[in-house]
Amino acid sequence: EAGVAQSPRYKIIEKRQSVAFWCNPISGHATLYWYQQILGQGPKLLIQFQNNGVVDDSQLPKDRFSAERLKGVDSTLKIQPAKLEDSAVYLCASSPGGAGRQETQYFGPGTRLLVL
Amino acid sequence: AQSVAQPEDQVNVAEGNPLTVKCTYSVSGNPYLFWYVQYPNRGLQFLLKYITGDNLVKGSYGFEAEFNKSQTSFHLKKPSALVSDSALYFCAVRDDNYGQNFVFGPGTRLSVLP
Repeated sequence: EAGVAQSPRYKIIEKRQSVAFWCNPISGHATLYWYQQILGQGPKLLIQFQNNGVVDDSQLPKDRFSAERLKGVDSTLKIQPAKLEDSAVYLCASSPGGAGRQETQYFGPGTRLLVL
Repeated sequence: AQSVAQPEDQVNVAEGNPLTVKCTYSVSGNPYLFWYVQYPNRGLQFLLKYITGDNLVKGSYGFEAEFNKSQTSFHLKKPSALVSDSALYFCAVRDDNYGQNFVFGPGTRLSVLP
């Protein structure tokens, strides 16, 4: 079974530029998550989708971050404009079913973003 | 809201010795507890989880964890450490009274010395 795919793996941009990250979850997984992991910290949930609907985006900085999962499969996370403090690893994860609390999340390799 | 603490930033252990990585949590309802491991430049890999039932949970790569409700702890253990176990370990919790949010601890770096 193929895992969660993310691209690009690395991105360097200057502040105020825009950037987009792509995620393809494990086939058949209904729930998709985006996390931000700042160096030295645990991952922080940005947004959670179930199919193509948003379940939780309470920690997403909506003035600059946006995400979509239009067809309920792959997803894109965008930052516009980027700030220095957005430098982090962006992790995508998926889980099989209806976002049940006991479900295991499976993570992709992440995209490492450096904002200069 | 739920929270997770991992009181040790770094744990050092000699190869072959038992290891413990500590995790304590705070929830208002019943906890769902998870351990993940992160190797350099890679995503998080699932190790094990506690949902209900037996307090001792066995997981991947010989790891196990013990759920202790009275001490609100979920410590990760392994009887005999390997150098290849050196990595960053994250404890995470979901609160069944608090929707879907999955909260991670800050991580503990485990170094297994040959």
